[in-house]
This record gives sequence, C-alpha cells and structure tokens, in this order.
Amino acid sequence: DAMVIQNPRYQVTQFGKPVTLSCSQTLNHNVMYWYQQKSSQAPKLLFHYYDKDFNNEADTPDNFQSRRPNTSFCFLDIRSPGLGDAAMYLCATSRDEPDEQYFGPGTRLTVT
Amino acid sequence: GEDVEQSLFLSVREGDSSVINCTYTDSSSTYLYWYKQEPGAGLQLLTYIFSNMDMKQDQRLTVLLNKKDKHLSLRIADTQTGDSAIYFCAESIGGGFKTIFGAGTRLFVKA
Repeated sequence: DAMVIQNPRYQVTQFGKPVTLSCSQTLNHNVMYWYQQKSSQAPKLLFHYYDKDFNNEADTPDNFQSRRPNTSFCFLDIRSPGLGDAAMYLCATSRDEPDEQYFGPGTRLTVT
Repeated sequence: GEDVEQSLFLSVREGDSSVINCTYTDSSSTYLYWYKQEPGAGLQLLTYIFSNMDMKQDQRLTVLLNKKDKHLSLRIADTQTGDSAIYFCAESIGGGFKTIFGAGTRLFVKA
C-alpha cells in the first residue's frame, strides 16, 4: 500500500544530543512537510520541500534542519534538543498545493 | 494573524448527531479541511470544501461553510463509538503550501 512511513515511532534522546527523524513515502508526491505537535495543540508547520526547494517557516528555530536527498525520503535533524522540543513530529506529503495532505503516524520524541 | 479556533471537547451519545465547530481568520482561504486523528495514528483527511461552496455532504458527514462569519462546521450523523477521535479543522492560506490547523476537538461517544 502506498503510504507515509516514519521511523522510529518513539525516540528518546538526551538534552543536547543530536537526533534525526526519518520519513519516507511511496506516493511519489512532490511536497513533503514536517510538523511539530505538542500535547493538545495544533500541528505547527516547521518547513516543507517542494521537490528539492526548501521552504522554512519564519518562526522555526535554527536548531531544526531538514534534508531531502531524493523524492522518497525526508529527514528532520534536531542539532541540540532541548526539553521544550519534546513533542510528536509529523511528516506529511501532498501531490501539489493546495492539496490533501497524507500524514505518517508520527514520531514521539522524548528529551531527557 | 492566522488562527483557527475550535472547542477542545465534545461528548455525544451513540446514534446522536455530532456538530464540531471551527472559526478561522484568513478570508483568502481557498480550501478548508477536516482531518481525523485516532490514537497512535497520523491525521487522516475526512473531507474538504472549496471556499466558494456553502455545503458539502459525504455520506454521514455534512460540512457547512459561512464565509461571512468565517465559520466552518462538521456534522456527523448517527455518531458511532468508532467516531471517537480528535477532529482538526484546517485552512490553506495564501494560495500556497501553508495549512493552518486548529488545536483539535476531542469527540467522546458514549454507548
């Protein structure tokens, strides 16, 4: 089945220790998004790629970076996680814009 | 600024109708969406409506859009226990990639 896959589903990292979250898609969609969702809050867009073009949201901290080496994969790198970065991280894709977004199950990040 | 607001909780009895409400601020929104999130899963699109429409019906789901008041609602007829989830209202803005989500309404369905 075509889908959006996120690995790992649960990630524990230490304060200040770099961590990478992974997203892959079999939908061949042009656009890939990363959202941060804290408990009982709206998903907040961090950045997105349209093909290879990277688009950062103005209020996304510099601590968050992303890479998209090919159409299928997109990574979220957190260079120095703080306690406030503990959240669910959601990856989504869409064929184009504006368009329905297909979400992965999310990676729950815990920072100790 | 960009904002989507919705109430946090709704409780209904099985078989009743559920109505989840949402207000948004961006009058240039082109699409408005309702997503559903079940425990441990990602968001799944339930339905969407173009900004030039007033109503859309899809089986048990009815979406009403009042552009003047920037109000969107989702009605679920004959609500079932399997409908228990978090429902997110969202708008796409600026003709671009950005979608703004509300904080979600948690629907509890009592048997």
